Amino acid sequence: AQRVTQPEKLLSVFKGAPVELKCNYSYSGSPELFWYVQYSRQRLQLLLRHISRESIKGFTADLNKGETSFHLKKPFAQEEDSAMYYCALSNYGGSQGNLIFGKGTKLSVKP
Amino acid sequence: DTGVSQDPRHKITKRGQNVTFRCDPISEHNRLYWYRQTLGQGPEFLTYFQNEAQLEKSRLLSDRFSAERPKGSFSTLEIQRTEQGDSAMYLCASSPWDRVIEYTFGSGTRLTVV
Repeated sequence: AQRVTQPEKLLSVFKGAPVELKCNYSYSGSPELFWYVQYSRQRLQLLLRHISRESIKGFTADLNKGETSFHLKKPFAQEEDSAMYYCALSNYGGSQGNLIFGKGTKLSVKP
Repeated sequence: DTGVSQDPRHKITKRGQNVTFRCDPISEHNRLYWYRQTLGQGPEFLTYFQNEAQLEKSRLLSDRFSAERPKGSFSTLEIQRTEQGDSAMYLCASSPWDRVIEYTFGSGTRLTVV
């Protein structure tokens, strides 16, 4: 079954510390993976996708097919990074386009 | 505003009543999705449209739920005979035909069934 697992409900770090938000997936085929972010009182928005291999707001994520992981990393956390982060898997391989989300990790960056 | 709009933002209803939510996608997007999010969970897929055609429905979408997109523009999601378990945030998203997985989400409609 297709599944996305985010093992941490809450991650709390101090400003300037490195951050790693974990995401593991289960999918048969070639997955497309995403990170979505929801800041307080804002709508859910796309942060990055693995195909783009880009860095957004200092965040990067590398797809590791061997470990079936897509962890989100940032070397130096900022207070404005505090938000809810969701890892998502696309069912696009079936041309359906719907996303399977993890339960999310709340990142709290303390001053 | 060229984003995805959802109406109403909040809805409180008594158990057993019917409710209807509306979603206006980005005008040039031909795909429209409905998701449901309960407390402590990520969004869960309900259904999606390509233009006016409803192409997939999740098992979560019981017979009490119906969605329409009559002219391929806005969409409505109706829940009949609401139950307390229907309390959730209902999210709408849209995407263009050539980048179907690049979603733009709306702010959601929060439903509370009392």
